[in-house]
Amino acid sequence: NAGVTQTPKFQVLKTGQSMTLQCAQDMNHNSMYWYRQDPGMGLRLIYYSASEGTTDKGEVPNGYNVSRLNKREFSLRLESAAPSQTSVYFCASSLRLAGPGNEQFFGPGTRLTVL
Amino acid sequence: DAKTTQPNSMESNEEEPVHLPCNHSTISGTDYIHWYRQLPSQGPEYVIHGLTSNVNNRMASLAIAEDRKSSTLILHRATLRDAAVYYCTLDYNQGGKLIFGQGTELSVKP
Repeated sequence: NAGVTQTPKFQVLKTGQSMTLQCAQDMNHNSMYWYRQDPGMGLRLIYYSASEGTTDKGEVPNGYNVSRLNKREFSLRLESAAPSQTSVYFCASSLRLAGPGNEQFFGPGTRLTVL
Repeated sequence: DAKTTQPNSMESNEEEPVHLPCNHSTISGTDYIHWYRQLPSQGPEYVIHGLTSNVNNRMASLAIAEDRKSSTLILHRATLRDAAVYYCTLDYNQGGKLIFGQGTELSVKP
């Protein structure tokens, strides 16, 4: 099992450009999440998907959109990148949103720089 | 949303126990306490979680105060591979929305 995979690993964008971060999991998990981590800080939740077909906002959703393409895949889109979105982005998944089985498994991260 | 407070850093000697504290004085009755750790340049890794009772697994133990306003992650014998940032987080209202604080950077000396 690969667990949670993310592409790309690194990306440099210019202000105003758009891009999509891809995430996939092979653990048959129902719930998926996108976080960002700024230098020296903890993680902040951007969006999450409790199950296939649903998405909800987290703490810091402004400037982002998400798509739960199917049970395996959950993408994060930046429509018009800004320097404030320079960060490391982590995708995670869990068997379910709440209760037993809600421990989250994280991917290796995408390091994004916006110039 | 309830927040957590942890010391910025702690040091330990190899093969000694480590007690990592966390305060969450505004926790509500349905918030689970989760612990994750993050090794350098990696994604966070789940360690343990609990609601009211103390919990043990192969990685660590979690001791939860009776009033649930604090908890302690216990690594029974620290190894060099345990050097990481440890995050105490709350599963706010069991909704899966983990609230991460600054974490405790644990260094382990040989």
